[in-house]
Amino acid sequence: SYELTQPPSVSVSPGQTVSITCSGENLENKNVCWYQQKSGQSPVKVIYRDNKRPSGIPERFSGSNSGNTATLTISGTQAMDEADYHCQAWDQSSVIFGGGTKLTVL
Amino acid sequence: EVQLVESGGGLVQPGGSLRLSCAASGFSLSNYYMHWVRQAPGKGLVWVSRLDSDGSGTRYADFVEGRFTISRDTAKNTLYLQLNSLRVDDTAVYFCVTDLKPTAASEYWGQGTLVTVSS
Repeated sequence: SYELTQPPSVSVSPGQTVSITCSGENLENKNVCWYQQKSGQSPVKVIYRDNKRPSGIPERFSGSNSGNTATLTISGTQAMDEADYHCQAWDQSSVIFGGGTKLTVL
Repeated sequence: EVQLVESGGGLVQPGGSLRLSCAASGFSLSNYYMHWVRQAPGKGLVWVSRLDSDGSGTRYADFVEGRFTISRDTAKNTLYLQLNSLRVDDTAVYFCVTDLKPTAASEYWGQGTLVTVSS
């Protein structure tokens, strides 16, 4: 079955840029989205269709998808961005999530 | 206001059953694919099941192994997930959510209901 792999954790200093990767076989051939999930809350989509930002999501969130890796990048990271981030794609009519990455803003 | 409200979670012994409900308001479930997603404590999101917008097509994750059934009541605008033969590793918060399409800008998520399987 298809798998999406994310690093378990990433850390960044406030104001810096951080990237979170999501790897899968030929992932560039699939549409990828990203969710932000703060503690005790439901997920919120921050990137869809690889690199599009939903209304209300800050411009510091961006996405890309090439080869076997999709990447979520947060520029000028703020303390409020500390959360879990999950990538998601579809494979053969099933929904696949990555394992999630805990972002710590130090 | 669009809202999804899950209920029906609780503590159940291994081998037991529960029925989760997801009441929708502000929109019709018939207009969306509907999904159940679960999240074990401290773990990532895991897709569980999908019901097509016409109410006839269903799909399940491999780990379900015939134990769960997704359905809806159109008159009540409510989605269900019947959980049978529960295992300890089914312990999780269960969310209902619309669409889950990576091409869509947004979707609606419920707040989740906790299922704890323990003796």
